[in-house]
Amino acid sequence: DADVTQTPRNRITKTGKRIMLECSQTKGHDRMYWYRQDPGLGLRLIYYSFDVKDINKGEISDGYSVSRQAQAKFSLSLESAIPNQTALYFCATSDSAGLSAFFGQGTRLTVV
Amino acid sequence: KNEVEQSPQNLTAQEGEFITINCSYSVGISALHWLQQHPGGGIVSLFMLSSGKKKHGRLIATINIQEKHSSLHITASHPRDSAVYICAVRSGTGNQFYFGTGTSLTVIP
Repeated sequence: DADVTQTPRNRITKTGKRIMLECSQTKGHDRMYWYRQDPGLGLRLIYYSFDVKDINKGEISDGYSVSRQAQAKFSLSLESAIPNQTALYFCATSDSAGLSAFFGQGTRLTVV
Repeated sequence: KNEVEQSPQNLTAQEGEFITINCSYSVGISALHWLQQHPGGGIVSLFMLSSGKKKHGRLIATINIQEKHSSLHITASHPRDSAVYICAVRSGTGNQFYFGTGTSLTVIP
């Protein structure tokens, strides 16, 4: 099994629909992150969580919400998808010292 | 202003060439990571550096903390090295990662 698993890998959805992207990890890391990647831009942080009861906004959290259901699971929701949320989304984990970082395979989301 | 700058943005090399990708950062860091992203999209971590130099196969990564600069070198490049290479730094506070925009490398047979 992959260290960080994202589902779905690809998704096409319509404007206004609610969509959830799921992430699970087997590393036992407390820290989990959601990023989006757009052409010509570096990965940008949407939300992050340092443990189950901890949720923090990143630089581009508007239009997104997250849920940390367990240490191993961190889901990202788009409450009402819009076309400019079309992007490649990555979930990542790290240990508390930041000495290791693991990324999921990415979810390619298209909002039409 | 980006906290992490990479150069070049795009790089094309002939198989066998020695390749260098540079990364400069402007924030205090606790660690620097070099990541590789293949056309399928997945990202893997190649190195984590907090000082000095690391080598793994044909890949060498160096960091100069005083100059806030890191380099990734690929010796005897091969077409399978074609990918996007991303520099990422972990902030000194430990709370966030900052990412460069990536260097797209194409190695031609």
